[in-house]
Amino acid sequence: ETGVTQSPTHLIKTRGQQVTLRCSSQSGHNTVSWYQQALGQGPQFIFQYYREEENGRGNFPPRFSGLQFPNYSSELNVNALELDDSALYLCASSEDRYSYEQYFGPGTRLTVT
Amino acid sequence: DQQVKQNSPSLSVQEGRISILNCDYTNSMFDYFLWYKKYPAEGPTFLISISSIKDKNEDGRFTVFLNKSAKHLSLHIVPSQPGDSAVYFCAASSENTDKLIFGTGTRLQVFP
Repeated sequence: ETGVTQSPTHLIKTRGQQVTLRCSSQSGHNTVSWYQQALGQGPQFIFQYYREEENGRGNFPPRFSGLQFPNYSSELNVNALELDDSALYLCASSEDRYSYEQYFGPGTRLTVT
Repeated sequence: DQQVKQNSPSLSVQEGRISILNCDYTNSMFDYFLWYKKYPAEGPTFLISISSIKDKNEDGRFTVFLNKSAKHLSLHIVPSQPGDSAVYFCAASSENTDKLIFGTGTRLQVFP
């Protein structure tokens, strides 16, 4: 059974640029959630995708957007990067949108300079 | 507004003794609670969970206790091992939400 994978591992971007982060969900899982973890904080929910549709969103501006593909992999896109976007971005998959238990990938460390 | 709170940023315990990690929540709509363990440079790993209809759930060395009236849960690790050294996050969810709400984490160090 393949776990959740994310790419890239690390990324450095300049303020104002755009970034795309990728996630492959665990085998058999059709729901993907994205979280942002700032230093010293717990993960904060960005949004969730279920069967290619957004299924809930946290308190993040519209410049945070996402996609889910037919194979249930997902992308997180962030436009007009700000310094405060520097964080660990975590992807989590679950069996379906009603599953409480989510399984996380290793994360992508984004640094905005 | 921090709905899930872990008031102890760190805890140090001797190997073989009990580790007790605490978590408080404010939202009475939460009906499912989870504990995750996180090593550096890795994503959180699911450890154990409990539904609000229970007050205890046990899995090997790990036991989670839920006190709904106090809006408090705790994770007990017995006996503690050096490999348990990590950051532990408490998370909560409810039937009408799609997200997990996390606490800020407690760093556990188990020393020989």
